Amino acid sequence: DVKVTQSSRYLVKRTGEKVFLECVQDMDHENMFWYRQDPGLGLRLIYFSYDVKMKEKGDIPEGYSVSREKKERFSLILESASTNQTSMYLCASSPDTGRNTEAFFGQGTRLTVV
Amino acid sequence: AQKVTQAQTEISVVEKEDVTLDCVYETRDTTYYLFWYKQPPSGELVFLIRRNSFDEQNEISGRYSWNFQKSTSSFNFTITASQVVDSAVYFCALSEEDSNYQLIWGAGTKLIIKP
Repeated sequence: DVKVTQSSRYLVKRTGEKVFLECVQDMDHENMFWYRQDPGLGLRLIYFSYDVKMKEKGDIPEGYSVSREKKERFSLILESASTNQTSMYLCASSPDTGRNTEAFFGQGTRLTVV
Repeated sequence: AQKVTQAQTEISVVEKEDVTLDCVYETRDTTYYLFWYKQPPSGELVFLIRRNSFDEQNEISGRYSWNFQKSTSSFNFTITASQVVDSAVYFCALSEEDSNYQLIWGAGTKLIIKP
């Protein structure tokens, strides 16, 4: 059974803290994605990666960075957390077969910044 | 401009009723794909269907059916004889050749099925 696992379901962090959100997939997928989900806005792409050590900015990269040192792991980093980064964060992966295949999602991390 | 519009923010129906979730999209590409995903309360998005722009055949899978109409740029999703387990947020998404197939998401429709 395919699996995308996010390290935490819930996180509470203080303003200014450096926050790491981890995502691991076991499907040997080339592509990995980080989204944030806010009510009424759907999913917005923060960053994606199509290969190890490669990354591309999505629609809302400001305040975030990412790391992909191994194919199976894609980390999202909030350099200095702010209250407007309180959100649900979703990681996804997909195989690189024409780039039109479905993505597989993790269970999400609900981050609260206080 | 919104490329994928799900105008229904929330729908509430009684169990066993049929319900249709609307999705309207905008694209200039001739090659594109449309998706529906379900997000139950557990949070994990689950893929339901993918449709390419060259295949307008409607699809039925059990109680689920999808109506793809290029003439109206719509890809609507109908649940027949709804059940409480269908309660979730449903997302429609578009991927275009022009955008390197990045997924463009609608805002989602929250479906509540009352027993």
